[in-house]
Amino acid sequence: LAKTTQPISMDSYEGQEVNITCSHNNIATNDYITWYQQFPSQGPRFIIQGYKTKVTNEVASLFIPADRKSSTLSLPRVSLSDTAVYYCLVGAPSGGYQKVTFGTGTKLQVIP
Amino acid sequence: EAGVAQSPRYKIIEKRQSVAFWCNPISGHATLYWYQQILGQGPKLLIQFQNNGVVDDSQLPKDRFSAERLKGVDSTLKIQPAKLEDSAVYLCASSLGRIISGNTIYFGEGSWLTVV
Repeated sequence: LAKTTQPISMDSYEGQEVNITCSHNNIATNDYITWYQQFPSQGPRFIIQGYKTKVTNEVASLFIPADRKSSTLSLPRVSLSDTAVYYCLVGAPSGGYQKVTFGTGTKLQVIP
Repeated sequence: EAGVAQSPRYKIIEKRQSVAFWCNPISGHATLYWYQQILGQGPKLLIQFQNNGVVDDSQLPKDRFSAERLKGVDSTLKIQPAKLEDSAVYLCASSLGRIISGNTIYFGEGSWLTVV
């Protein structure tokens, strides 16, 4: 499985756009990139997933360059409720099954 | 759609005692995961089931941890005897398990274990 590297923590003011970058130099051809959000006392929650270029949904955008060795999660106009830990995961079906490994994540603190 | 259900939500036990956690995945999900999350760390995969078969238990401390998914639906994770370092949140998760893109994993709220 490709190992991921993320900043340990980030601070942002309310209303700003936040970009969290994840490095995954050893990403394999079949690997997808998935981001999860985790609030205290809750299980991780799926945010967005992509394979290449750009993916956008109602809560975030995911930018993946052509070499796929990194990815950037973009959260538009963050609010206090976006304070959470964000995990970048890289993985793919292995032996017929999805294998998922979490790193330490990025703790985002949104400041009023 | 109902989410992943876990119980108990909180448990406090003394070291060397035993504890069991139960998980009911989302209906139709073939893959079930148990993760251990120690405070301040990311979740660590303990065991992964595909239906009622184990596909990965490489990080499960088998001398004290056991898990089963007898009918391919509900699952139980047991710790016996517990150690202080087992204090953590135990997260159950499930996914469709098919070899497709975008195989999203859904997590339960977790079972908080404190060993004293």
